Amino acid sequence: AQSVSQHNHHVILSEAASLELGCNYSYGGTVNLFWYVQYPGQHLQLLLKYFSGDPLVKGIKGFEAEFIKSKFSFNLRKPSVQWSDTAEYFCAVTPTGFQKLVFGTGTRLLVSP
Amino acid sequence: SQTIHQWPATLVQPVGSPLSLECTVEGTSNPNLYWYRQAAGRGLQLLFYSVGIGQISSEVPQNLSASRPQDRQFILSSKKLLLSDSGFYLCAWKLGNQAGELFFGEGSRLTVL
Repeated sequence: AQSVSQHNHHVILSEAASLELGCNYSYGGTVNLFWYVQYPGQHLQLLLKYFSGDPLVKGIKGFEAEFIKSKFSFNLRKPSVQWSDTAEYFCAVTPTGFQKLVFGTGTRLLVSP
Repeated sequence: SQTIHQWPATLVQPVGSPLSLECTVEGTSNPNLYWYRQAAGRGLQLLFYSVGIGQISSEVPQNLSASRPQDRQFILSSKKLLLSDSGFYLCAWKLGNQAGELFFGEGSRLTVL
């Protein structure tokens, strides 16, 4: 079945460590790619998005993601995490047609001070 | 600016009772509207989406239904709730049939006892 996969369900890091969260999707054709973040007690908000052009996308709060078409991947990275990055991160894909957004299962990130 | 509201924020209902969750969007016209359910470890599951008044697409078979009686109103309903309907329900919108991000409401926490 077509889907979005996030490999890590829980990640625990110390402050200043580097972060990479994996995301793979199985849709063919043109896709739009997103990372959303949900901080504790808050609603979902957009971290970054890729529609076309430069496959390296920069988002808010120092996050970036790289679209690798050949690998059907859109991994999220941050060189140095902070305690305030503790949150749940969701990868999402809009398949061709742009009508719906399909989410991965999410990754809970805990950053210890 | 556009805003999205959903209510009630919290709901506790007995098994077998009906359900109605409402969502309205302001500041835009002819949006795509979505209902998601968020469960721990399972990410966001798309339940229904609508591209216009009276047009409803169901993504998964379930005990729930959706309706769009007005352009900016989206309602999630059930005639008889099951225990398994408990969860966190999110309404979202995006601009028509074009690439773009989803904007989420605050969510409704449903507990079925």
